[in-house]
Amino acid sequence: GESVGLHLPTLSVQEGDNSIINCAYSNSASDYFIWYKQESGKGPQFIIDIRSNMDKRQGQRVTVLLNKTVKHLSLQIAATQPGDSAVYFCAEELTGGGNKLTFGTGTQLKVEL
Amino acid sequence: DAGVIQSPRHEVTEMGQEVTLRCKPISGHDYLFWYRQTMMRGLELLIYFNNNVPIDDSGMPEDRFSAKMPNASFSTLKIQPSEPRDSAVYFCASSFRSGSAGYTFGSGTRLTVV
Repeated sequence: GESVGLHLPTLSVQEGDNSIINCAYSNSASDYFIWYKQESGKGPQFIIDIRSNMDKRQGQRVTVLLNKTVKHLSLQIAATQPGDSAVYFCAEELTGGGNKLTFGTGTQLKVEL
Repeated sequence: DAGVIQSPRHEVTEMGQEVTLRCKPISGHDYLFWYRQTMMRGLELLIYFNNNVPIDDSGMPEDRFSAKMPNASFSTLKIQPSEPRDSAVYFCASSFRSGSAGYTFGSGTRLTVV
């Protein structure tokens, strides 16, 4: 189930540092956004979501920021751990899109000990 | 709940053969999605169902691909005849109503067509 493409952007961080993964979404009519984590050999796993009427949402060690002006989404991971190593995808849902998500290309996060 | 269950986990088949991938969604979820993941194209939505009815099949590559959902607890994705370019990981996902907290994905079926 590896999702790594030949040209996936890669972010390398030291264990304990904070990570910031960015995503540019395509459609200004999108009103719901989700971050997924995909570990090698597994399916994508829900991390955190945010609706377009919010700018920020926090979870456990993760924060999602939404900038609708420039159609930008970011995922911040605090105190990055080796278990955070994975490919991270952002996904967007159009208003009235019938629950249909469109996924970005993904970012590979590598945590160095 | 055991989550979304897909079978088989791995499938190797010869070009021209029929391949059937299976999915059992989470009980109570009324949406079911089939995605394909490749290195070149990432995650692509093939088709999705709502209450067992196909809603959007615009992502199905061609007539060789077909999907069914005969009941709320089972769906199949069939490729006939299979071609080497169909080699990919196929994911099934399910969710509960529109706009809910994302999908739950299965572990995927890695298909290799030789």
